[in-house]
Amino acid sequence: KNEVEQSPQNLTAQEGEFITINCSYSVGISALHWLQQHPGGGIVSLFMLSSGKKKHGRLIATINIQEKHSSLHITASHPRDSAVYICAVEDGGSQGNLIFGKGTKLSVKP
Amino acid sequence: EPEVTQTPSHQVTQMGQEVILRCVPISNHLYFYWYRQILGQKVEFLVSFYNNEISEKSEIFDDQFSVERPDGSNFTLKIRSTKLEDSAMYFCASSPDRGVQPQHFGDGTRLSIL
Repeated sequence: KNEVEQSPQNLTAQEGEFITINCSYSVGISALHWLQQHPGGGIVSLFMLSSGKKKHGRLIATINIQEKHSSLHITASHPRDSAVYICAVEDGGSQGNLIFGKGTKLSVKP
Repeated sequence: EPEVTQTPSHQVTQMGQEVILRCVPISNHLYFYWYRQILGQKVEFLVSFYNNEISEKSEIFDDQFSVERPDGSNFTLKIRSTKLEDSAMYFCASSPDRGVQPQHFGDGTRLSIL
């Protein structure tokens, strides 16, 4: 069974800082997802990737399949980026169901 | 943009009662999922549903749980004889395909068992 580990668990940053959240997994996957969970609990998909790098606005996600590692970067962080960021993976043989990490709670101070 | 909608947003139920959580997935999506998140813990997979049948389920999804797509639009999760440990946030998600496009999540139903 795939084990998904995220670091750090908690992260406090000043507005404008560059932020990196890391995710590692134990078994080969078909895809990796980065999700954002708002304080109210809702979950939004940020990225789905199986190789390389994706960029959306100030967010960048990378994955290294050989090292079983992914990073989520936030450039020029803003207080509205404060949320829990969750890494989740799809096992190769699954029906698309996700295995989640525990999440990284990000707080960006003005 | 189309959304996955879940009702109710909060359900309070006495232990031992049955509860039905409702979801309306995005209309052209084919794959449906239920997940749960116990307070302070990570999100966990419960069940996936495709072509009107369960395609995969986790160890959590025992005989107490069932899913249905009764009318081609709603997707329900039924919990029979609820227990205190069923208290959690339950998320529905849908996807147009498997492994190609991301899943779209509803806002969740917070289930509180008293």
